[in-house]
Amino acid sequence: GAVVSQHPSWVICKSGTSVKIECRSLDFQATTMFWYRQFPKQSLMLMATSNEGSKATYEQGVEKDKFLINHASLTLSTLTVTSAHPEDSSFYICSANPYFIYEQYFGPGTRLTVT
Amino acid sequence: AQTVTQSQPEMSVQEAETVTLSCTYDTSESDYYLFWYKQPPSRQMILVIRQEAYKQQNATENRFSVNFQKAAKSFSLKISDSQLGDAAMYFCAYSMYSGGGADGLTFGKGTHLIIQP
Repeated sequence: GAVVSQHPSWVICKSGTSVKIECRSLDFQATTMFWYRQFPKQSLMLMATSNEGSKATYEQGVEKDKFLINHASLTLSTLTVTSAHPEDSSFYICSANPYFIYEQYFGPGTRLTVT
Repeated sequence: AQTVTQSQPEMSVQEAETVTLSCTYDTSESDYYLFWYKQPPSRQMILVIRQEAYKQQNATENRFSVNFQKAAKSFSLKISDSQLGDAAMYFCAYSMYSGGGADGLTFGKGTHLIIQP
């Protein structure tokens, strides 16, 4: 149990376009989902926390107008990178937290390449 | 702000030997969680072990154990009987305790563990 999926696993888009990444908890309801960014050979950086039905909380330095997060249901959160630029190329990982259980389950990640 | 420091970018150990990965952190909180995550080449994050700060007893999971020194803000991971499958990046992570569900994680820079056959 406790499986989190991400779609797509790899996406290539042109500079200036927008791309949406989905994060789904497959067998549990997630009151909270987290989005992380990982540059090559580097650590994970928390970008934002999303709670179902409310606005996401962004970490300092993360542009909320560029990285739109929507936690539409208890099993789905989406990250939309708007007007993508090559510097947005990165590995994006989500994690999901079941209600009142202190555990984060990670998705397999999405590689974004902006050309 | 909380910080997590891993001072060993890379470690190498012979198969079947024991290796210890170091981690220090900085926080003004008294209640928090500490984690070790493994990230193999597939990049899937795998939880290795978790420690609640209020627990004095060090966490253990089979061949993996931690040495948690709260006063020193130190949280090292010991891997016994190293196996080839243990080769991966290992990240130390910190999370505040919010009283409900999980909080976002602050990660260290990671230690690349190499297992020599």
